[in-house]
Amino acid sequence: AQSVTQLGSHVSVSEGALVLLRCNYSSSVPPYLFWYVQYPNQGLQLLLKYTSAATLVKGINGFEAEFKKSETSFHLTKPSAHMSDAAEYFCAVRSVGGSYIPTFGRGTSLIVHP
Amino acid sequence: DTEVTQTPKHLVMGMTNKKSLKCEQHMGHRAMYWYKQKAKKPPELMFVYSYEKLSINESVPSRFSPECPNSSLLNLHLHALQPEDSALYLCASSQGGGVIYEQYFGPGTRLTVT
Repeated sequence: AQSVTQLGSHVSVSEGALVLLRCNYSSSVPPYLFWYVQYPNQGLQLLLKYTSAATLVKGINGFEAEFKKSETSFHLTKPSAHMSDAAEYFCAVRSVGGSYIPTFGRGTSLIVHP
Repeated sequence: DTEVTQTPKHLVMGMTNKKSLKCEQHMGHRAMYWYKQKAKKPPELMFVYSYEKLSINESVPSRFSPECPNSSLLNLHLHALQPEDSALYLCASSQGGGVIYEQYFGPGTRLTVT
């Protein structure tokens, strides 16, 4: 079985501050991990993915995430938040040998204050 | 072309109407998906087509009927819907069904059932 937990349904930061969105996964086999962003009234857009190569993954729009097996985590970070980063962020997991259908976390809404 | 298109963008229908949602991709992807998404929730998988054959039906009511006429096109036929079916319907595609392949999402169709 595979699952992801996103801690915090809402995260609020000031413009220019560090963004940290948390994702912990559960998988009995090596996971593939994804972060998606969804802007209002739009579909999901892939930010980055971990596929067992480098543990530090760089994505679009200045985001990156680090895979930490010991902590079963794949947290998303960005050094400096922009107003345009305000959106819903979803972490997803797919497991080798398991269902190829991704399991999504419940989502974290990022709020950016001026 | 890395785009998944969906039409219409918005749809309002009565409970006795019949309508269809359309999804198209020209990336040569062989897996296509329908998701239902309620506000502030993660997408819920409805159907998966792999190589134009229905491979997964997540116990969706029969008032939703998927169709995959060819490898680029995916339809969702709607009939006798209920108000609780109002949601954002997302289409996605991936290169294949393997865990390594990320999904590309369309912008969605916002459905309102009156």
